[in-house]
Amino acid sequence: DAKTTQPNSMESNEEEPVHLPCNHSTISGTDYIHWYRQLPSQGPEYVIHGLTSNVNNRMASLAIAEDRKSSTLILHRATLRDAAVYYCILRDVGGQNFVFGPGTRLSVLP
Amino acid sequence: NAGVTQTPKFQVLKTGQSMTLQCAQDMNHNSMYWYRQDPGMGLRLIYYSASEGTTDKGEVPNGYNVSRLNKREFSLRLESAAPSQTSVYFCASSGSWTGVYEQFFGPGTRLTVL
Repeated sequence: DAKTTQPNSMESNEEEPVHLPCNHSTISGTDYIHWYRQLPSQGPEYVIHGLTSNVNNRMASLAIAEDRKSSTLILHRATLRDAAVYYCILRDVGGQNFVFGPGTRLSVLP
Repeated sequence: NAGVTQTPKFQVLKTGQSMTLQCAQDMNHNSMYWYRQDPGMGLRLIYYSASEGTTDKGEVPNGYNVSRLNKREFSLRLESAAPSQTSVYFCASSGSWTGVYEQFFGPGTRLTVL
């Protein structure tokens, strides 16, 4: 299974943009890049996912490198509510790989 | 729309006791999943059901059984609980089991085995 690498932790100031990186150098052509986040004492929450092109939704943007070996989750304006653990995972179109690594713990400072 | 619901929210068991964790979704999703999360760790897949009538083992299936009761419900059973099964259990569902679809998670069941 292709794996992802994320920084253990990051900090951001409130109302500033946040760029959360994810490396996936062994990604295959059929792997979707998924991002989830987990607020304290809650279940994971879907954020965004994509295959090749950059994606935007109401929560965030996903920027995918041209070679797909890395991606960046962009929160355009961090709020205190965005403090969470963010998981980047690869999900094959054939359904393999449900592995959530340790993720990146994002702290948002007021 | 309640999304994914789980019962109970908390449970304490003694070693050797059995229990069933219940999960239901109202999004008409085909696929459902059970994960466990140990303190400070990511989620690990226990079992999944790609579609009604099918179940498959995930990364850590030992000590667990599952039943896909119907399209809405997917239960997880611990036949003889062990302290190593102390964890938070999350149920999830998705339109299909492929990477095309996102997963929706329930609030979790916090289980302690003494």
